[in-house]
Amino acid sequence: DQQVKQNSPSLSVQEGRISILNCDYTNSMFDYFLWYKKYPAEGPTFLISISSIKDKNEDGRFTVFLNKSAKHLSLHIVPSQPGDSAVYFCAASPNYKLSFGAGTTVTVRA
Amino acid sequence: DVKVTQSSRYLVKRTGEKVFLECVQDMDHENMFWYRQDPGLGLRLIYFSYDVKMKEKGDIPEGYSVSREKKERFSLILESASTNQTSMYLCASSPGQAIYSYEQYFGPGTRLTVT
Repeated sequence: DQQVKQNSPSLSVQEGRISILNCDYTNSMFDYFLWYKKYPAEGPTFLISISSIKDKNEDGRFTVFLNKSAKHLSLHIVPSQPGDSAVYFCAASPNYKLSFGAGTTVTVRA
Repeated sequence: DVKVTQSSRYLVKRTGEKVFLECVQDMDHENMFWYRQDPGLGLRLIYFSYDVKMKEKGDIPEGYSVSREKKERFSLILESASTNQTSMYLCASSPGQAIYSYEQYFGPGTRLTVT
């Protein structure tokens, strides 16, 4: 039973617009959340994270929002660029083990 | 920069063969992990190790075993490969619990095909 769910398998967005990726979790013990980006034939690379004591974390074009009461987090990418086309995984953890979602494939159109 | 390397990028094996996947990290990390990635299922944890010679089962350990004889090296073993083990295998490492860091660093992956 997946404890981290990404219900949108794919997202298509025009270059320059905002990409919003969503993630839901069920385990209330999760206290740290991460987003990873993965290109084909490469391993995932860390993008941004947030602790459960915060509700927002920003790093350049990437912002992660956490709504603990709803057990929901989202990743905003503004503005979207062609190089952002990749698979994005949401991950959550109560310790050093991570539980991953199924991923969302983002395609940025020129 | 953390570097995690995996012995092969692509591997083709026959059903029933014993398969070894090797992973090496160069950052003196305590923790090492093996995942498999399948479409629609994301990354699923097979086994992890938090110290030399220590291991724990992940979510899908059946049909797999692991070995960690040295801190930098973590091996995944398919005792008798089956077609349902065709997948992308990803190795990762992270610092120990003494360091507050959940971030895991991944290798490039091994695409294993079992025929």
